Amino acid sequence: GAVVSQHPSWVICKSGTSVKIECRSLDFQATTMFWYRQFPKQSLMLMATSNEGSKATYEQGVEKDKFLINHASLTLSTLTVTSAHPEDSSFYICSASHSKVEQFFGPGTRLTVL
Amino acid sequence: QKEVEQDPGPLSVPEGAIVSLNCTYSNSAFQYFMWYRQYSRKGPELLMYTYSSGNKEDGRFTAQVDKSSKYISLFIRDSQPSDSATYLCAMFGNQFYFGTGTSLTVIP
Repeated sequence: GAVVSQHPSWVICKSGTSVKIECRSLDFQATTMFWYRQFPKQSLMLMATSNEGSKATYEQGVEKDKFLINHASLTLSTLTVTSAHPEDSSFYICSASHSKVEQFFGPGTRLTVL
Repeated sequence: QKEVEQDPGPLSVPEGAIVSLNCTYSNSAFQYFMWYRQYSRKGPELLMYTYSSGNKEDGRFTAQVDKSSKYISLFIRDSQPSDSATYLCAMFGNQFYFGTGTSLTVIP
């Protein structure tokens, strides 16, 4: 149980384009979903927290107009990187939670912006 | 001072060794303490979590929490090459905080 999927697993795009990443909880309803960014050999950096049906709460320094988060249902959240640039290249990981404590992570999406 | 401190390693041990991974923290409000394992280019996987102080055992893994010292540990007995990964500690009070992760290599 507690499986979270992400799609796509790897995406390469041109600078200036927008990329959408999907995060799905496959076997449970996630009241809260989190989006993280991870640079090589570094820990997870929380970008935003989203609750189903509400606007996402962004961490300090994260541009909400650049990283659009939609949590339309209890099993799906999307992160759209708008007008992507090479510095946005990173590993993006989502997690889903149905309790206060446990987070279940997706496999991550590697974004490369050329 | 960071909320959570974790030695990044890398840590390299021979197969069969006992591994000790540790984190310290500064916020006494943390009540839940988690350990995640992350293989290269994969998402973290929850290994175990502990509420408040004490020990918790699951197979070859034992988690310890010492709230008086603000110190948590993960012990891996009879380590295997498949245990080679990055181990992240995490803590929750009213939000999550993650350590930077310790890279572990178990040599056959």
